[in-house]
Amino acid sequence: QQQVKQSPQSLIVQKGGISIINCAYENTAFDYFPWYQQFPGKGPALLIAIRPDVSEKKEGRFTISFNKSAKQFSLHIMDSQPGDSATYFCAASMWTGNQFYFGTGTSLTVIP
Amino acid sequence: KAGVTQTPRYLIKTRGQQVTLSCSPISGHRSVSWYQQTPGQGLQFLFEYFSETQRNKGNFPGRFSGRQFSNSRSEMNVSTLELGDSALYLCASSFRVSGGPDTQYFGPGTRLTVL
Repeated sequence: QQQVKQSPQSLIVQKGGISIINCAYENTAFDYFPWYQQFPGKGPALLIAIRPDVSEKKEGRFTISFNKSAKQFSLHIMDSQPGDSATYFCAASMWTGNQFYFGTGTSLTVIP
Repeated sequence: KAGVTQTPRYLIKTRGQQVTLSCSPISGHRSVSWYQQTPGQGLQFLFEYFSETQRNKGNFPGRFSGRQFSNSRSEMNVSTLELGDSALYLCASSFRVSGGPDTQYFGPGTRLTVL
């Protein structure tokens, strides 16, 4: 059973547009939600993370929005650039846990 | 600091064989986790080792096993390979800042193809 559900599976966005990736979770014990970015031939790298005590976290062009009541969180990439083309994974764990549950990934393509 | 290294980067095996993958974590990291990455399934957790002890295990058959050495290097073994074992196997090392989350740093993975 997939603990974290991610959509869409793939996304094509024009340069300068906004990319939005959504995730949903079931386990209310999760309280740490990181996003990872993976380029071809590389392992995933931590991009940005959020805890449920805030509804939004922004780092540069990347923003996580969090809806605790709906058990959903999303990644917004503003002013998307071709260099953002990668696979993005959402994940969930407990703050003091050491097991992460990953979504199935979203392949983002930003067209120049 | 050097990143997480995984060897070999590519492997081709045939059904029924066994394979051993190796992971060297970032210096000072004592936790090593292994994941299987396949299209459509994302990253599936295999197991996690800390100080030579398996601390967590995912829902994989007993054909998948691992170990960690005293220098924190880890190996993963898959016996009696099946076609469905073809995947990218990722290793992640981590350390925990006191009271904070476990930040995982991933290696580039080993691409295993089973024919």
